[in-house]
Amino acid sequence: EAGVAQSPRYKIIEKRQSVAFWCNPISGHATLYWYQQILGQGPKLLIQFQNNGVVDDSQLPKDRFSAERLKGVDSTLKIQPAKLEDSAVYLCASSLGVPGPSYEQYFGPGTRLTVT
Amino acid sequence: LAKTTQPISMDSYEGQEVNITCSHNNIATNDYITWYQQFPSQGPRFIIQGYKTKVTNEVASLFIPADRTSSTLSLPRVSLSDTAVYYCLRQQAGTALIFGKGTTLSVSS
Repeated sequence: EAGVAQSPRYKIIEKRQSVAFWCNPISGHATLYWYQQILGQGPKLLIQFQNNGVVDDSQLPKDRFSAERLKGVDSTLKIQPAKLEDSAVYLCASSLGVPGPSYEQYFGPGTRLTVT
Repeated sequence: LAKTTQPISMDSYEGQEVNITCSHNNIATNDYITWYQQFPSQGPRFIIQGYKTKVTNEVASLFIPADRTSSTLSLPRVSLSDTAVYYCLRQQAGTALIFGKGTTLSVSS
């Protein structure tokens, strides 16, 4: 079974520039998550999708971050304009999203963003 | 805010058993205890999940007492490749994971 795919793996941009990240979840997974992980900390949820609808975006800085999941499959996360404090690893995860005792989330390798 | 408390770091030697304890007071009835492992430059990876008593899989064991206010992840006979950050999380069905800083386990030869 193929895992969660993310691209690019690394990105360096200057502050005030724009950047976009792409995620392809595991086939059949209804729920998709974007997390931000700053060095030395655990991942923090930015947004959760169920199919192509947003379940939770309470921690997404909406003045500069946006995300979409067209057709309930792939997703993109955009930052415009970027700030120095956006330097982090952006992780995409997916899960089946059906009722059950285990809601194991499968994480991609992440995109490491450096804002200079 | 679903919070847990676990040690910041632990050190061990190859071949030893490692037990990482996590505190989760005021745990909700529908919370499961889930542990994830993260290696440098990789996303977290699910290790084990439990609700009460003991759960064992090919990687680890998870002990949760009856009052569910704490849990212990047990890694038998660790190797150098077990060096990683281990996260203890309270998880409800269908919700996102709330991560703390985790426990950095360092295994030496």
